[in-house]
Amino acid sequence: DTEVTQTPKHLVMGMTNKKSLKCEQHMGHRAMYWYKQKAKKPPELMFVYSYEKLSINESVPSRFSPECPNSSLLNLHLHALQPEDSALYLCASSLGSPGEGNSPLHFGNGTRLTVT
Amino acid sequence: KNEVEQSPQNLTAQEGEFITINCSYSVGISALHWLQQHPGGGIVSLFMLSSGKKKHGRLIATINIQEKHSSLHITASHPRDSAVYICAGPVTQGGSEKLVFGKGTKLTVNP
Repeated sequence: DTEVTQTPKHLVMGMTNKKSLKCEQHMGHRAMYWYKQKAKKPPELMFVYSYEKLSINESVPSRFSPECPNSSLLNLHLHALQPEDSALYLCASSLGSPGEGNSPLHFGNGTRLTVT
Repeated sequence: KNEVEQSPQNLTAQEGEFITINCSYSVGISALHWLQQHPGGGIVSLFMLSSGKKKHGRLIATINIQEKHSSLHITASHPRDSAVYICAGPVTQGGSEKLVFGKGTKLTVNP
């Protein structure tokens, strides 16, 4: 069982819908991440939150809006998505930054998003 | 050129064989991550290492920081080892760290 919980596991939405992806961890991790993964490709970083503040935004379109309400929760709000946004969205967390000693990433199982 | 390069891209082995996956990186990193992704999506962190060697069960990871190279070895491979193995290194961007991923090695172990 993963210690990072993502909901929902699957999501189908139309291009005019508004939906949210949720991610939760209770390991006391201070860094949380959103990744997008297309089939047969490695994950692509979207956002990094460090101590509940957005520290990296990889030039993600504004139709993706991250939110970190507290140190345990990370949301990704979706609005007016395009079919090409269909992908697996992965959340991850780490105790510190990825380069700090003994700070491996813990991944959730992902939300498989289909935009119709 | 990707900052983190893996080889091979695809690897097929027979059960019981010794497996080696290589990772080279062009950026200065403080530690390297090895990740495993099974079909269906979930990613598991296997190792995070900054020097020497780490072992967990049948998995061994080594790193040479000076040569900017790491290897993941699987001894006595088993069909359940079939997965995509990804190496990743942290790089600093704008004062924050992010992971740069290799493209992954798809391993298939046949019974």
